[in-house]
Amino acid sequence: SQQGEEDPQALSIQEGENATMNCSYKTSINNLQWYRQNSGRGLVHLILIRSNEREKHSGRLRVTLDTSKKSSSLLITASRAADTASYFCATPKAAGNKLTFGGGTRVLVKP
Amino acid sequence: NAGVTQTPKFRVLKTGQSMTLLCAQDMNHEYMYWYRQDPGMGLRLIHYSVGEGTTAKGEVPDGYNVSRLKKQNFLLGLESAAPSQTSVYFCASSYSTFQSRAQPQHFGDGTRLSIL
Repeated sequence: SQQGEEDPQALSIQEGENATMNCSYKTSINNLQWYRQNSGRGLVHLILIRSNEREKHSGRLRVTLDTSKKSSSLLITASRAADTASYFCATPKAAGNKLTFGGGTRVLVKP
Repeated sequence: NAGVTQTPKFRVLKTGQSMTLLCAQDMNHEYMYWYRQDPGMGLRLIHYSVGEGTTAKGEVPDGYNVSRLKKQNFLLGLESAAPSQTSVYFCASSYSTFQSRAQPQHFGDGTRLSIL
Protein backbone atom coordinates (compact mmCIF):
# COMPACT_ATOMS: atom_id res chain seq x y z
CA SER A 1 0.00 0.00 0.00
CA GLN A 2 1.18 3.51 -0.71
CA GLN A 3 2.21 5.67 2.20
CA GLY A 4 1.72 8.93 0.32
CA GLU A 5 -1.31 9.71 -1.81
CA GLU A 6 -1.38 12.79 -4.01
CA ASP A 7 -4.47 14.77 -4.81
CA PRO A 8 -5.59 15.63 -7.42
CA GLN A 9 -4.39 12.94 -9.80
CA ALA A 10 -4.30 15.46 -12.63
CA LEU A 11 -4.36 19.23 -12.89
CA SER A 12 -4.62 21.51 -15.90
CA ILE A 13 -3.92 25.23 -15.59
CA GLN A 14 -3.01 28.23 -17.70
CA GLU A 15 0.49 29.63 -17.72
CA GLY A 16 0.83 32.19 -14.97
CA GLU A 17 -1.65 30.54 -12.65
CA ASN A 18 -0.73 28.80 -9.43
CA ALA A 19 -0.84 25.03 -9.07
CA THR A 20 -1.49 23.33 -5.76
CA MET A 21 -1.30 19.65 -5.04
CA ASN A 22 -1.65 17.74 -1.82
CA CYS A 23 -0.12 14.65 -0.29
CA SER A 24 -1.56 12.63 2.56
CA TYR A 25 0.32 9.95 4.42
CA LYS A 26 -0.54 7.39 7.04
CA THR A 27 2.24 6.95 9.57
CA SER A 28 4.46 9.37 11.47
CA ILE A 29 7.42 10.67 9.50
CA ASN A 30 10.51 12.73 10.18
CA ASN A 31 10.63 14.25 6.72
CA LEU A 32 8.73 14.43 3.43
CA GLN A 33 10.18 14.99 -0.02
CA TRP A 34 8.74 16.21 -3.30
CA TYR A 35 10.03 15.14 -6.70
CA ARG A 36 9.26 16.15 -10.27
CA GLN A 37 9.28 13.84 -13.27
CA ASN A 38 9.24 15.20 -16.79
CA SER A 39 7.94 12.92 -19.51
CA GLY A 40 10.42 10.20 -20.34
CA ARG A 41 12.88 11.26 -17.68
CA GLY A 42 13.88 10.28 -14.18
CA LEU A 43 12.69 11.94 -10.99
CA VAL A 44 14.31 15.13 -9.86
CA HIS A 45 14.39 16.10 -6.20
CA LEU A 46 12.64 19.41 -5.52
CA ILE A 47 12.47 19.96 -1.82
CA LEU A 48 12.75 18.17 1.51
CA ILE A 49 10.80 19.34 4.53
CA ARG A 50 11.51 17.99 8.00
CA SER A 51 8.88 17.20 10.59
CA ASN A 52 9.84 20.21 12.72
CA GLU A 53 9.28 22.58 9.77
CA ARG A 54 5.87 23.89 8.77
CA GLU A 55 6.76 25.65 5.56
CA LYS A 56 9.66 25.75 3.14
CA HIS A 57 10.33 27.75 0.00
CA SER A 58 12.53 27.14 -3.01
CA GLY A 59 12.20 29.63 -5.84
CA ARG A 60 8.58 29.43 -7.05
CA LEU A 61 7.90 26.37 -4.92
CA ARG A 62 6.27 26.47 -1.52
CA VAL A 63 5.81 23.32 0.54
CA THR A 64 3.84 23.02 3.73
CA LEU A 65 3.69 20.18 6.20
CA ASP A 66 0.97 19.56 8.74
CA THR A 67 2.00 16.60 10.86
CA SER A 68 -1.22 16.71 12.88
CA LYS A 69 -3.22 16.10 9.70
CA LYS A 70 -0.52 13.94 8.13
CA SER A 71 -0.58 16.03 4.99
CA SER A 72 1.66 18.19 2.85
CA SER A 73 1.04 20.55 -0.02
CA LEU A 74 3.16 21.75 -2.91
CA LEU A 75 2.39 25.11 -4.46
CA ILE A 76 3.93 26.21 -7.73
CA THR A 77 3.44 29.93 -8.22
CA ALA A 78 3.29 31.71 -11.58
CA SER A 79 3.43 28.43 -13.46
CA ARG A 80 5.26 28.07 -16.76
CA ALA A 81 4.87 25.58 -19.59
CA ALA A 82 8.15 24.02 -18.42
CA ASP A 83 6.44 23.08 -15.13
CA THR A 84 4.39 20.49 -17.04
CA ALA A 85 5.36 17.25 -15.33
CA SER A 86 4.27 14.70 -12.76
CA TYR A 87 4.90 15.56 -9.14
CA PHE A 88 5.41 12.93 -6.45
CA CYS A 89 5.59 13.10 -2.72
CA ALA A 90 7.80 10.58 -0.94
CA THR A 91 8.00 9.58 2.69
CA PRO A 92 10.78 7.68 4.46
CA LYS A 93 10.47 3.97 5.08
CA ALA A 94 12.65 2.42 7.76
CA ALA A 95 16.41 2.43 7.44
CA GLY A 96 18.55 2.77 4.34
CA ASN A 97 17.12 6.15 3.33
CA LYS A 98 14.33 4.24 1.57
CA LEU A 99 11.34 6.13 0.26
CA THR A 100 7.72 5.29 -0.45
CA PHE A 101 6.27 7.26 -3.36
CA GLY A 102 2.70 8.26 -3.99
CA GLY A 103 1.00 7.83 -7.35
CA GLY A 104 1.74 11.40 -8.41
CA THR A 105 -0.11 14.43 -9.70
CA ARG A 106 0.12 15.11 -13.43
CA VAL A 107 0.29 18.83 -14.04
CA LEU A 108 -0.33 20.34 -17.46
CA VAL A 109 0.47 24.02 -17.89
CA LYS A 110 -1.07 25.40 -21.05
CA PRO A 111 0.67 28.33 -22.75
CA ASN B 1 28.34 15.87 -14.62
CA ALA B 2 26.92 12.46 -15.53
CA GLY B 3 25.15 11.78 -12.22
CA VAL B 4 23.31 8.47 -12.51
CA THR B 5 23.62 6.65 -15.82
CA GLN B 6 21.49 3.69 -16.80
CA THR B 7 22.15 1.32 -19.68
CA PRO B 8 20.47 0.28 -21.85
CA LYS B 9 17.74 2.89 -22.33
CA PHE B 10 15.39 0.51 -24.15
CA ARG B 11 15.20 -3.25 -24.45
CA VAL B 12 12.72 -5.81 -25.75
CA LEU B 13 12.98 -9.34 -24.45
CA LYS B 14 11.14 -12.56 -25.04
CA THR B 15 9.62 -14.43 -22.13
CA GLY B 16 12.24 -16.57 -20.44
CA GLN B 17 15.24 -14.56 -21.58
CA SER B 18 17.64 -13.06 -19.12
CA MET B 19 19.29 -9.68 -19.00
CA THR B 20 21.17 -7.29 -16.75
CA LEU B 21 20.49 -3.60 -16.31
CA LEU B 22 23.45 -1.49 -15.35
CA CYS B 23 23.44 1.59 -13.15
CA ALA B 24 26.51 3.74 -12.63
CA GLN B 25 26.86 6.82 -10.42
CA ASP B 26 29.76 9.21 -10.19
CA MET B 27 28.75 11.07 -7.02
CA ASN B 28 30.47 8.71 -4.56
CA HIS B 29 27.09 7.83 -3.05
CA GLU B 30 26.95 5.01 -0.56
CA TYR B 31 23.32 4.05 -1.14
CA MET B 32 21.80 2.81 -4.39
CA TYR B 33 18.29 1.71 -5.32
CA TRP B 34 16.36 -0.01 -8.08
CA TYR B 35 12.70 0.92 -8.66
CA ARG B 36 10.08 -0.01 -11.18
CA GLN B 37 7.39 2.36 -12.40
CA ASP B 38 4.21 1.12 -13.99
CA PRO B 39 1.65 3.31 -15.81
CA GLY B 40 -0.17 5.70 -13.51
CA MET B 41 1.69 4.50 -10.47
CA GLY B 42 4.44 5.76 -8.30
CA LEU B 43 7.74 4.00 -7.95
CA ARG B 44 8.09 0.70 -6.16
CA LEU B 45 11.39 -0.35 -4.64
CA ILE B 46 12.81 -3.63 -5.93
CA HIS B 47 16.19 -3.90 -4.19
CA TYR B 48 18.61 -1.51 -2.60
CA SER B 49 22.18 -1.37 -1.32
CA VAL B 50 23.69 0.58 1.54
CA GLY B 51 27.26 -0.08 0.51
CA GLU B 52 29.64 -2.01 -1.68
CA GLY B 53 29.07 -5.73 -1.32
CA THR B 54 25.68 -5.36 0.39
CA THR B 55 22.17 -5.72 -1.01
CA ALA B 56 18.70 -5.97 0.49
CA LYS B 57 15.17 -6.65 -0.69
CA GLY B 58 12.67 -3.90 -1.24
CA GLU B 59 8.93 -4.01 -1.75
CA VAL B 60 8.79 -6.11 -4.95
CA PRO B 61 11.98 -8.23 -5.15
CA ASP B 62 10.60 -11.43 -6.65
CA GLY B 63 12.04 -12.30 -10.05
CA TYR B 64 15.01 -9.94 -9.69
CA ASN B 65 18.55 -10.21 -8.39
CA VAL B 66 21.11 -7.49 -7.76
CA SER B 67 24.80 -7.10 -7.18
CA ARG B 68 26.98 -4.25 -5.93
CA LEU B 69 30.55 -5.33 -6.52
CA LYS B 70 31.80 -1.77 -6.90
CA LYS B 71 30.61 1.28 -5.04
CA GLN B 72 29.71 3.14 -8.22
CA ASN B 73 27.78 0.31 -9.90
CA PHE B 74 24.51 -1.42 -9.09
CA LEU B 75 23.32 -4.21 -11.39
CA LEU B 76 19.75 -5.49 -11.70
CA GLY B 77 19.27 -8.93 -13.20
CA LEU B 78 16.24 -10.68 -14.57
CA GLU B 79 17.00 -14.40 -14.73
CA SER B 80 13.85 -15.47 -16.60
CA ALA B 81 11.87 -12.52 -17.87
CA ALA B 82 8.08 -12.55 -17.60
CA PRO B 83 5.52 -10.21 -19.21
CA SER B 84 4.63 -8.90 -15.74
CA GLN B 85 8.13 -7.42 -15.59
CA THR B 86 7.36 -5.07 -18.48
CA SER B 87 8.00 -1.70 -16.88
CA VAL B 88 10.27 1.30 -16.69
CA TYR B 89 13.17 0.68 -14.33
CA PHE B 90 14.85 3.51 -12.47
CA CYS B 91 18.07 3.49 -10.58
CA ALA B 92 18.77 6.04 -7.88
CA SER B 93 21.56 6.85 -5.47
CA SER B 94 22.03 8.93 -2.35
CA TYR B 95 24.48 9.75 0.38
CA SER B 96 24.12 7.73 3.51
CA THR B 97 21.97 9.14 6.25
CA PHE B 98 23.97 10.75 9.04
CA GLN B 99 22.37 11.19 12.43
CA SER B 100 19.13 10.01 10.80
CA ARG B 101 19.03 13.05 8.52
CA ALA B 102 17.38 12.11 5.25
CA GLN B 103 19.16 12.61 1.95
CA PRO B 104 17.57 13.27 -1.44
CA GLN B 105 17.81 10.55 -4.03
CA HIS B 106 19.26 11.17 -7.49
CA PHE B 107 17.70 9.29 -10.37
CA GLY B 108 18.77 8.05 -13.75
CA ASP B 109 16.53 8.47 -16.78
CA GLY B 110 15.30 4.90 -16.75
CA THR B 111 15.37 1.73 -18.81
CA ARG B 112 12.20 0.94 -20.71
CA LEU B 113 11.85 -2.84 -20.78
CA SER B 114 9.22 -4.78 -22.70
CA ILE B 115 8.77 -8.52 -22.27
CA LEU B 116 6.89 -10.23 -25.07
